[in-house]
Amino acid sequence: AQSVAQPEDQVNVAEGNPLTVKCTYSVSGNPYLFWYVQYPNRGLQFLLKYITGDNLVKGSYGFEAEFNKSQTSFHLKKPSALVSDSALYFCAVRELGYKLSFGAGTTVTVRA
Amino acid sequence: NAGVTQTPKFRILKIGQSMTLQCAQDMNHNYMYWYRQDPGMGLKLIYYSVGAGITDKGEVPNGYNVSRSTTEDFPLRLELAAPSQTSVYFCASNLAGEETQYFGPGTRLLVL
Repeated sequence: AQSVAQPEDQVNVAEGNPLTVKCTYSVSGNPYLFWYVQYPNRGLQFLLKYITGDNLVKGSYGFEAEFNKSQTSFHLKKPSALVSDSALYFCAVRELGYKLSFGAGTTVTVRA
Repeated sequence: NAGVTQTPKFRILKIGQSMTLQCAQDMNHNYMYWYRQDPGMGLKLIYYSVGAGITDKGEVPNGYNVSRSTTEDFPLRLELAAPSQTSVYFCASNLAGEETQYFGPGTRLLVL
């Protein structure tokens, strides 16, 4: 079965500093990987995805993610965090039939 | 487009009661999903559907039922509510051939 893990429950950064949210994966075959964000009392919103091609994927709101096959990682990054980036972030991997398997989530808090 | 809509937003049930969580999408998406979100657990797939008249179990189907009589609607039925079903429920959809799932705003259910 495909799975992802998010090793950090919480990430705290100061506004303007780089933000990294970690994700590792375990799959058979080529992985289809995703990042979603959930703001308080809202549904999940798609940020970006890796299907194939360039290892550096650019997404919404200035986020990007780096696919690293040797380390089986797909970390989400933002060069300069904003207070408005405070949210719950989920990494996910595609299973058969477009189903997604989600990580447990990482709460990001950006302090002013 | 309204996207994916869910009703109600919040509901309190007594143990043993039944209810139906409504989900509708106006994007003509083939695939629809029901997830539940529990703190620290990420999202778990309850049921999914690949088209009208076709449904299948996900990871945590016990205590739930679904139907898909139209492309637009995918209701989730709880027959005998239990405290373990206290959760936030999200409906999602995507078009076949497209990887991105679109999520509804969620239904918060409290079973007492």
